[in-house]
Amino acid sequence: ETGVTQSPTHLIKTRGQQVTLRCSSQSGHNTVSWYQQALGQGPQFIFQYYREEENGRGNFPPRFSGLQFPNYSSELNVNALELDDSALYLCASSPTSEETQYFGPGTRLLVL
Amino acid sequence: EDKVVQSPLSLVVHEGDTVTLNCSYEVTNFRSLLWYKQEKKAPTFLFMLTSSGIEKKSGRLSSILDKKELFSILNITATQTGDSAVYLCAVEPLRGATNKLIFGTGTLLAVQP
Repeated sequence: ETGVTQSPTHLIKTRGQQVTLRCSSQSGHNTVSWYQQALGQGPQFIFQYYREEENGRGNFPPRFSGLQFPNYSSELNVNALELDDSALYLCASSPTSEETQYFGPGTRLLVL
Repeated sequence: EDKVVQSPLSLVVHEGDTVTLNCSYEVTNFRSLLWYKQEKKAPTFLFMLTSSGIEKKSGRLSSILDKKELFSILNITATQTGDSAVYLCAVEPLRGATNKLIFGTGTLLAVQP
């Protein structure tokens, strides 16, 4: 157990809907990163938040957005869902933006 | 473009066998290479390697990095059924203040009794 928690564990949505995924970072960790892992693939970096500011972004469209709160928990929002958004969404936290990342159990999203 | 390639894609062995998993990479401004084990959902951290030639060990697992040839190997000796998992290799480029990870597709290891 890494101390990183995510909710919900599973989610089913339809195309065009919006979804919010949540992540609580490990105690003492101020950096949260989000990754998308499609079936049979490695995780792909979406973005990172450090002390409530976006601190880097991968190759994902603007309909993927996020927030980090003062307690360092974080949300990932995806608008206008597409079938290809079906994946495992992983959150990882680290003590700073330069230290090892520890992953939560993920949220499995299915878009129909 | 930064890239991480793992081989083999999958592997089936019997308990007690020794396995070697490979990871090669191309990245601008390398900072570190990490190995994770993914059983069901959460990748769990195994090793972080930053220097060439220094072996890291944890029980039956060990790993080493070659920064000249741009690859790393993960060895598992005396495999057990509990070692069955996807093993992910990731590289962290040195780029600004973001420690984003670039992952390979993973090696699926199945250990049969």
